[in-house]
Amino acid sequence: EVQLVESGGGLVQPGGSLRLSCAASGFSFSNSNMNWVRQAPGKGLACVSYISSSSGTISYADSVRGRFTVSRDNAKNTLYLQMASLRDEDTAVYYCARGRYTPPSGWSLDLWGRGTLVTVSS
Amino acid sequence: DIQLTQSPSFLSASVGDRVTITCRASQGVSSSLAWYQQKPGKAPNLLIYGASTLQSGVPSRFSGSGYGTEFTLTISSLQPEDSTIYYCQQLNNYPFTFGQGTKLEIK
Repeated sequence: EVQLVESGGGLVQPGGSLRLSCAASGFSFSNSNMNWVRQAPGKGLACVSYISSSSGTISYADSVRGRFTVSRDNAKNTLYLQMASLRDEDTAVYYCARGRYTPPSGWSLDLWGRGTLVTVSS
Repeated sequence: DIQLTQSPSFLSASVGDRVTITCRASQGVSSSLAWYQQKPGKAPNLLIYGASTLQSGVPSRFSGSGYGTEFTLTISSLQPEDSTIYYCQQLNNYPFTFGQGTKLEIK
């Protein structure tokens, strides 16, 4: 089955750290660009980080740059998001999503996991 | 960052109605725009990409159009299961920003 499964969420105190994982199956993970997208409770969607298939290109939203680190292990078909110096405003459901390029139409996030909830609170 | 503004933010329509949601970008994004549907407690589901290409498995009552800074999502004949939130997203420049969402309700 083609799927993405996130794990690693939970309750963490402000200033703390957490590592999220996203396990991919049923497709060629090593050839796929991947994204982390988050959604605060009752709010809209926001892209957090992007990593290309070979890890050669990595991007972050301004709100997390310097605090979050994205990485991947293509041998394990797993995407990671290491989060540090967590703030109340990082509380959200974190989704991993596959980026797909379909010529000539372009890019989309065509496969999403169910998400994992991160709660930053004292 | 490129800002996307959806209108309206809330929409109420009847079953069978034709419904249109607009997404305006703060700068041109070519045709690098996607539309997603998100039901409560679920991950977003891709409807349209490349501004107008229907994702496989999505009902043909959904369609998209536009280029540059103005885009539309149209539902030709609204069904009860279409009552939920819709987001546009630009994928021309990172961060791939989303619109604020449009909540669609069935009257």
